[in-house]
Amino acid sequence: DTGVSQNPRHKITKRGQNVTFRCDPISEHNRLYWYRQTLGQGPEFLTYFQNEAQLEKSRLLSDRFSAERPKGSFSTLEIQRTEQGDSAMYLCASTLTGDTEAFFGQGTRLTVV
Amino acid sequence: SQKIEQNSEALNIQEGKTATLTCNYTNYSPAYLQWYRQDPGRGPVFLLLIRENEKEKRKERLKVTFDTTLKQSLFHITASQPADSATYLCALGIPTGANNLFFGTGTRLTVIP
Repeated sequence: DTGVSQNPRHKITKRGQNVTFRCDPISEHNRLYWYRQTLGQGPEFLTYFQNEAQLEKSRLLSDRFSAERPKGSFSTLEIQRTEQGDSAMYLCASTLTGDTEAFFGQGTRLTVV
Repeated sequence: SQKIEQNSEALNIQEGKTATLTCNYTNYSPAYLQWYRQDPGRGPVFLLLIRENEKEKRKERLKVTFDTTLKQSLFHITASQPADSATYLCALGIPTGANNLFFGTGTRLTVIP
């Protein structure tokens, strides 16, 4: 296993379009997190899955954002009707338990033009 | 309000010296604290975890302290090298249902040869 994988690495989209990102966590990790990071800031929590159940969502996650983790394996994050303010790095992380190190993917850099 | 502050946006030090990075927090009660390294355009990489009942942790040239009374963690890199140049993030582990991490804004360290 080579770690957490995210695709695509970069995405440029026009305002109003929908985009979907994929995250493949480390296979034995049952916890999966999505974060958003803007320039000069630390990652901000968006949502969390334990296996296939989405257990927590941040207030940052507007109705235009939806995440899934079918079968408790890979996860997708979809943003509908993108806005320029959605431009950011979207990071996925997985952990084995709740209080151990998080393994991050390389992120998907979204640019909304 | 809740805050996580890292001492400065940028820190420049001479190669061979010890770099000391500070993480202060208010209105949080973390069960543990983690330090991550982040290189430009990449996801954070875990370095060290220290729990609330631990005073100090070491790993090779790295040392972290955690003072829950002062609400502060110090992160030291001894015998610093140019390859240590990166942004360093502290993250508080809060024992909520998600056990998600709350990140500071990071300190960009530059080690000058």
